[in-house]
Amino acid sequence: DQQVKQNSPSLSVQEGRISILNCDYTNSMFDYFLWYKKYPAEGPTFLISISSIKDKNEDGRFTVFLNKSAKHLSLHIVPSQPGDSAVYFCAASSTPGGTSYGKLTFGQGTILTVHP
Amino acid sequence: DAMVIQNPRYQVTQFGKPVTLSCSQTLNHNVMYWYQQKSSQAPKLLFHYYDKDFNNEADTPDNFQSRRPNTSFCFLDIRSPGLGDAAMYLCATSRGTGTGGTDTQYFGPGTRLTVL
Repeated sequence: DQQVKQNSPSLSVQEGRISILNCDYTNSMFDYFLWYKKYPAEGPTFLISISSIKDKNEDGRFTVFLNKSAKHLSLHIVPSQPGDSAVYFCAASSTPGGTSYGKLTFGQGTILTVHP
Repeated sequence: DAMVIQNPRYQVTQFGKPVTLSCSQTLNHNVMYWYQQKSSQAPKLLFHYYDKDFNNEADTPDNFQSRRPNTSFCFLDIRSPGLGDAAMYLCATSRGTGTGGTDTQYFGPGTRLTVL
């Protein structure tokens, strides 16, 4: 049972336009949501995150929106650049009782291609 | 540069022949994780160490074992690889402090395992 889903395997966008990547989750115990970006031959790198107590977090060109009632989050990239072309993974974190760190549950990833 | 290093990057083994994948880190992080990622699927957490404490995921097959002889190194042992174990294996580290979502995980580039 996949608890974090990215239903779009790929997305193609023109340079300068907005990229919107979507993610749905089922486990209401998740308390933090993250986006990771992965280039070929490299490991995923952290991009941006949002706590479940917020509905928006912005960092430069990247904004993550969280809709808890719909169990949905999205990543907006404005404006999109060719260097943004990568695989984007949505991840959700829950904090096991008694620990000070969390375990991540990932989605399958969305391949973003930004055309010049 | 502080980083997470995985060796080898590509590993070929024969069906049933034990194989060991290596991960090292220069970040001095407390937590080390192993993920399995099959083609077009989400990375799936196999187990993690908090310092010397080993934490196995409930659905990780017994065929997969791990060792962490010191802070810097962590190994993934696959005792009898099957064809279904062919995948990308990702190692990650985190400080192990703060709430789960703020405890950023840093990933290595992965080892791609082929089972013949």
